[in-house]
Amino acid sequence: KAGVTQTPRYLIKTRGQQVTLSCSPISGHRSVSWYQQTPGQGLQFLFEYFSETQRNKGNFPGRFSGRQFSNSRSEMNVSTLELGDSALYLCASSPGQGSYNEQFFGPGTRLTVL
Amino acid sequence: QQQVKQSPQSLIVQKGGISIINCAYENTAFDYFPWYQQFPGKGPALLIAIRPDVSEKKEGRFTISFNKSAKQFSLHIMDSQPGDSATYFCAASIAGANSKLTFGKGITLSVRP
Repeated sequence: KAGVTQTPRYLIKTRGQQVTLSCSPISGHRSVSWYQQTPGQGLQFLFEYFSETQRNKGNFPGRFSGRQFSNSRSEMNVSTLELGDSALYLCASSPGQGSYNEQFFGPGTRLTVL
Repeated sequence: QQQVKQSPQSLIVQKGGISIINCAYENTAFDYFPWYQQFPGKGPALLIAIRPDVSEKKEGRFTISFNKSAKQFSLHIMDSQPGDSATYFCAASIAGANSKLTFGKGITLSVRP
């Protein structure tokens, strides 16, 4: 099976702009989670989608949003970009059911905000 | 409040040695504890995971030891190789509570030839 894919791999934006990142999960996986990785804060959970519904949300401002489509592909959007949003954004997929869902990460999208 | 704490922050080991990374957690509701390995430019890859109903799990050169009463778990890498040089993250989650993983800060392991 193909792994989790994320596009684009790299993005450069300026403050105030908005950005949309895309994630395609492993075939058959219905859950997609998003994480932000920075040197200072490490890996932080953003949100999780399962069957097109947000199932869990981390402690991030409303500028961060996401959605999931019927084919389980997911997008996340960040509006009004700030310098501090520069990070590696990781998407992880899992089957989504059962108690212990192994999560498989994609390579991430490196976002730089200037 | 950091719910999952890793130590040490960095680790240098000679080839063939044992690498030991420790994690401590605070939330007693956590009941799934995976370890991830991340190489530069890549996403984290699941190495091995444990549930609290067992005290140890071994997969090849990687072993997780779990101490529920101390709320600690550790990763042991036997016969460490230069190819093991990477960043290692411990994580924890609550079964049934979706897929949210709470990660430690990560440690950088360097295995010297």
